[in-house]
Amino acid sequence: SFVLTQPPSVSVAPGKTARITCGGNNVESGSVHWYQQRPGQAPVLVIHYDTDRPSGIPERFSGSNSGNTATLTISRVAAGDEADYYCQVWDISSDQVVFGGGTKLTVL
Amino acid sequence: QLQLQESGPGLVKPSETLSLTCIVSGASISSSDYYWSWIRQPPGKGLEWIGSISFSGRTYYNPSLRTPAAISVDTSKNQFSLKLNSVTAAHTAVYYCATLGLGIGADYFEFWGQGTLLTVSS
Repeated sequence: SFVLTQPPSVSVAPGKTARITCGGNNVESGSVHWYQQRPGQAPVLVIHYDTDRPSGIPERFSGSNSGNTATLTISRVAAGDEADYYCQVWDISSDQVVFGGGTKLTVL
Repeated sequence: QLQLQESGPGLVKPSETLSLTCIVSGASISSSDYYWSWIRQPPGKGLEWIGSISFSGRTYYNPSLRTPAAISVDTSKNQFSLKLNSVTAAHTAVYYCATLGLGIGADYFEFWGQGTLLTVSS
């Protein structure tokens, strides 16, 4: 089945840019969605269809998808961005949802 | 605004049946194009999709689940449910219900419940 691979952790200093990757075989052929999960809370959709921000999500959050890697980029990182981030696709070949393993973003 | 609220027993003994319910408000299950979904998260681990169901009963399940799941919908009560038989400690997790927009070409989870912790222990 389709597998999405994320780095377990990413660290970034406040005000800098964080990039979280999501790798999968030819992942660009589908749409990747991203969720933010703060400790003790339910996940929140921050990017859908590779690049689109839902209403209420700051412009600091952006996404891209090319080749075998999708990327979530968070600009001007703040302490409140510290959370776990998950990528997700709908695998059309097997009709199932696939989540990446998650990346813990630490703001130094 | 669509809202979801999970309810469940909190504690289940090993080998028993797990039953969870998700109450939908702000939208009608039977008039929506969403697929009504369950996702779980074991303590300290990542998200795992369990399965999804349309109002008409069409289902998709995670084939990697060791214990088959059964998701059903009750349009009269505007809620949907999850059943897992013969649970073990491995089923201890926070269980979320969420909407998957497959019926409208939006294959992501837009709305989530707050989650309910289910512990399997004797």
